[in-house]
Amino acid sequence: EPEVTQTPSHQVTQMGQEVILRCVPISNHLYFYWYRQILGQKVEFLVSFYNNEISEKSEIFDDQFSVERPDGSNFTLKIRSTKLEDSAMYFCASSADRGSEKLFFGSGTQLSVL
Amino acid sequence: AQSVTQLDSQVPVFEEAPVELRCNYSSSVSVYLFWYVQYPNQGLQLLLKYLSGSTLVKGINGFEAEFNKSQTSFHLRKPSVHISDTAEYFCAVSPKIYNQGGKLIFGQGTELSVKP
Repeated sequence: EPEVTQTPSHQVTQMGQEVILRCVPISNHLYFYWYRQILGQKVEFLVSFYNNEISEKSEIFDDQFSVERPDGSNFTLKIRSTKLEDSAMYFCASSADRGSEKLFFGSGTQLSVL
Repeated sequence: AQSVTQLDSQVPVFEEAPVELRCNYSSSVSVYLFWYVQYPNQGLQLLLKYLSGSTLVKGINGFEAEFNKSQTSFHLRKPSVHISDTAEYFCAVSPKIYNQGGKLIFGQGTELSVKP
C-alpha cells in the first residue's frame, strides 16, 4: 500500500536555528497538509497546499513557517527561527482529492528544540 | 467553529473485554466524523469514518462507531479487544465545506491499554 514518508523521524535543533522537515507524499496525490501535536495536546492543523500555493492556514502558521514543493516529489515545512514551543510531532498528510475523508498521514517527525 | 472532546484520556481494559471510547463534538455546520488510531512510533491511520447514510459505521480491526446527531456523539466500540489494539485513538471532525477540505479538528486522544 502506498504511504506518506517523513524524514527525519527525530530532529533536534537549537533555539533560533532554521529547520526543514521533509515529506514525500503519495505519488499521485495533489493536496498536501501539515499537522502538529505538542506533547499532551491535540493534533492541530497547520496548513494545506494545492497547486503550488497555500489553500488554508491556521493561526499557528505565522511568518516563521513556510511550505514548499521544491520538486515533483517532496513537500517541506520550514521553520525559520525555532522556538522552544515549536517542539512537537509534525505530521505530513496528502490526498488525491480535496476532502478530509481521504487523507493519508505519515509517521511524523519529532522535533525537539533545545 | 468546531471542537471535539474525548471524555477519557486513558482507558485500561482486559483482553477480550468490550470497550467504548467516547467522543462528543460541537459544530455550527454539518461535519464528517472520523476515528484515527496511532500505534507506537507510527503515523495516524484511519480507523473509520462517517460521511452520510447509516449512522452505524464499521471500520478496520473489528471497530465500529455510531453517529448520534441529537447527542452530537460518535463513540467508538469493539466487542472484544486484543493486546494488539493497545494504541492512542483520536476522534476528529471536518466541516462539510468545500474550501475547508483536508482540515481535521482532533480531540485530545484516548490511550487504550489492553492488559492480558
